[in-house]
Amino acid sequence: DSGVTQTPKHLITATGQRVTLRCSPRSGDLSVYWYQQSLDQGLQFLIQYYNGEERAKGNILERFSAQQFPDLHSELNLSSLELGDSALYFCASSPKTVGGEAEGNEQFFGPGTRLTVL
Amino acid sequence: ILNVEQSPQSLHVQEGDSTNFTCSFPSSNFYALHWYRWETAKSPEALFVMTLNGDEKKKGRISATLNTKEGYSYLYIKGSQPEDSATYLCALNTGNQFYFGTGTSLTVIP
Repeated sequence: DSGVTQTPKHLITATGQRVTLRCSPRSGDLSVYWYQQSLDQGLQFLIQYYNGEERAKGNILERFSAQQFPDLHSELNLSSLELGDSALYFCASSPKTVGGEAEGNEQFFGPGTRLTVL
Repeated sequence: ILNVEQSPQSLHVQEGDSTNFTCSFPSSNFYALHWYRWETAKSPEALFVMTLNGDEKKKGRISATLNTKEGYSYLYIKGSQPEDSATYLCALNTGNQFYFGTGTSLTVIP
């Protein structure tokens, strides 16, 4: 158990809908990262927050947005869902930010949310 | 977009064999190279964070080296055990984001 929790575990929805995925980081970790793993692709970095602020952005679509709240939990909002958005969405946390000192900044991954868009 | 390549894509070894695989990347300007172990139906687990050229890290039977000048990192597993079966991922931390390789899938045959 990494200490990172994600809810829900599974989500089935229809095209055009909007969903929210939730992540609670390990106690003491200030950074939260979101990743997407589609069927035919490896892990794709989406976005990172550090202590409530966006710090790094990857291949995140405009239909997707995220935020990190004062209690450090984060939510990933996916809207106008398409079939191709079906994927496993991981959240990870680490003590420090991506551009800071790398030593001791290992990421701990949550169990993931499997999103199926029908 | 940075292309992080891992080879081989998959590997089958006998229990007790030692093995190694490669992570190649184009840039020497980065913050760190991360290695993860990802078992089926679980989430990735951090193995090593490597930052300096010539870095060598070890955790039990698993070790890794980093060559930033030539842009590669090796992961070694000594005396493979069935519980080592997993996908091993590397990721380049550029300071702005993470770029993951597609992984090496290792199967250790008892």
